[in-house]
Amino acid sequence: EAGVAQSPRYKIIEKRQSVAFWCNPISGHATLYWYQQILGQGPKLLIQFQNNGVVDDSQLPKDRFSAERLKGVDSTLKIQPAKLEDSAVYLCASGTLGSPLHFGNGTRLTVT
Amino acid sequence: TQLLEQSPQFLSIQEGENLTVYCNSSSVFSSLQWYRQEPGEGPVLLVTVVTGGEVKKLKRLTFQFGDARKDSSLHITAAQPGDTGLYLCAGDRETGNQFYFGTGTSLTVIP
Repeated sequence: EAGVAQSPRYKIIEKRQSVAFWCNPISGHATLYWYQQILGQGPKLLIQFQNNGVVDDSQLPKDRFSAERLKGVDSTLKIQPAKLEDSAVYLCASGTLGSPLHFGNGTRLTVT
Repeated sequence: TQLLEQSPQFLSIQEGENLTVYCNSSSVFSSLQWYRQEPGEGPVLLVTVVTGGEVKKLKRLTFQFGDARKDSSLHITAAQPGDTGLYLCAGDRETGNQFYFGTGTSLTVIP
C-alpha cells in the first residue's frame, strides 16, 4: 500500500512569512495527525482529525497555526506568520482505531 | 511538560554492548508503542504493548510494559551499528487513538 505522502520535503522562509504543508494519508485511514518535531526530540502533537472533524487541537498555537481536512482525506497545515521558533520538522501520520501510526517523511521548515 | 519522559536522552556505546532505554509517566496508558526514527524519515513502529507486565521480543530487542501501565523499557542485546537512531515511546491514553510521544533517546552504536 502507498504510504503517507507529504510535501514539500524542505522549506526555507523568512520570519513573518506564511507557509503551508500538505499531507495525503493512507487510503481508508480515518484518523490524521500533525506533529511538530524539534531536532533530536520527540514529536509534539499539534492536531488530530477523525475524518474531517477535530479530535484534539489543544497544543496548536491557534494565533498563527491552522489546519484543515475538508473532505476527510488530504490535510493542510498553515503557519501565518512564521516565527524563528517554528523551525522544525512537521510530521503527518495516519491510522485507524486500534492500529499503529503510519508516518510520512515530514517537511523540514527553516525560518530565518 | 512532556507526558512521557525517556532516559537517557543520549547514549553512545560500542558495538556488542547491551543497553536499556526507559519511558516513564505518571499517567496510565491503554497501550504503549516504541518507534525508531532515522534522519530524514518519519518514525517507524517497532512494537505495541497493551497488557500490564507484558514482555515482547523482536530479535535482539526486548520490550516490557510496566504492571501499572505507566512505564516501559526497551532493552537491546549486543547492539549493532544498524541500531543507531532515535528511539521514541508513545502512549495512547484513551481508546480514541490519541498518541503522545516521549522525549526521545538518541542512540549511537560505534563499530
